[in-house]
Amino acid sequence: GENVEQHPSTLSVQEGDSAVIKCTYSDSASNYFPWYKQELGKRPQLIIDIRSNVGEKKDQRIAVTLNKTAKHFSLHITETQPEDSAVYFCAPSTTGGGADGLTFGKGTHLIIQP
Amino acid sequence: SQTIHQWPATLVQPVGSPLSLECTVEGTSNPNLYWYRQAAGRGLQLLFYSVGIGQISSEVPQNLSASRPQDRQFILSSKKLLLSDSGFYLCAWSAGLVGATQYFGPGTRLLVL
Repeated sequence: GENVEQHPSTLSVQEGDSAVIKCTYSDSASNYFPWYKQELGKRPQLIIDIRSNVGEKKDQRIAVTLNKTAKHFSLHITETQPEDSAVYFCAPSTTGGGADGLTFGKGTHLIIQP
Repeated sequence: SQTIHQWPATLVQPVGSPLSLECTVEGTSNPNLYWYRQAAGRGLQLLFYSVGIGQISSEVPQNLSASRPQDRQFILSSKKLLLSDSGFYLCAWSAGLVGATQYFGPGTRLLVL
């Protein structure tokens, strides 16, 4: 099955600075790369995703970049704000594949310092 | 628009008691359905997924079971709960093929004492 690693496990940044979280995966067949945000006590919610035919995608302060050759993709948050504090999960998968591809990373706890 | 419901929201059960958690999806047909468990401060562990009525795949051996009696209903059960079953149980759905975007329900927080 897919081996997924997220780094770092905890990230503390000053409000207004940028944050980058990296996700590495093992299955070269993976073609769908989402990031989920989970606030304390709430459900995970999709914040951005990218497909393997695209290298980068941006949505306001959030971006995802993909390096298929190296098998990693990253979440970039610019101008961080207190409401960005949460746990972020990556979940690379293969559309049309089996549940072997449904592996979430262990999560990155992002802390925004005022 | 699609919505996903879970109940109960919170549950406290004694060890050895049975369990039934329910998940329903509205506004879509033939969704893929998933049950995850999240221990406190930990990641998401896929327990079961279903691509259709009566079709259940189990990812982790355990004392839990799942059923899909209707297209948009997914049930997680146990005959006898263990202390280690405590956690946050999340149901999710996705459209189309397995591996697409997943949308999570509000979750059930289970405490086994």
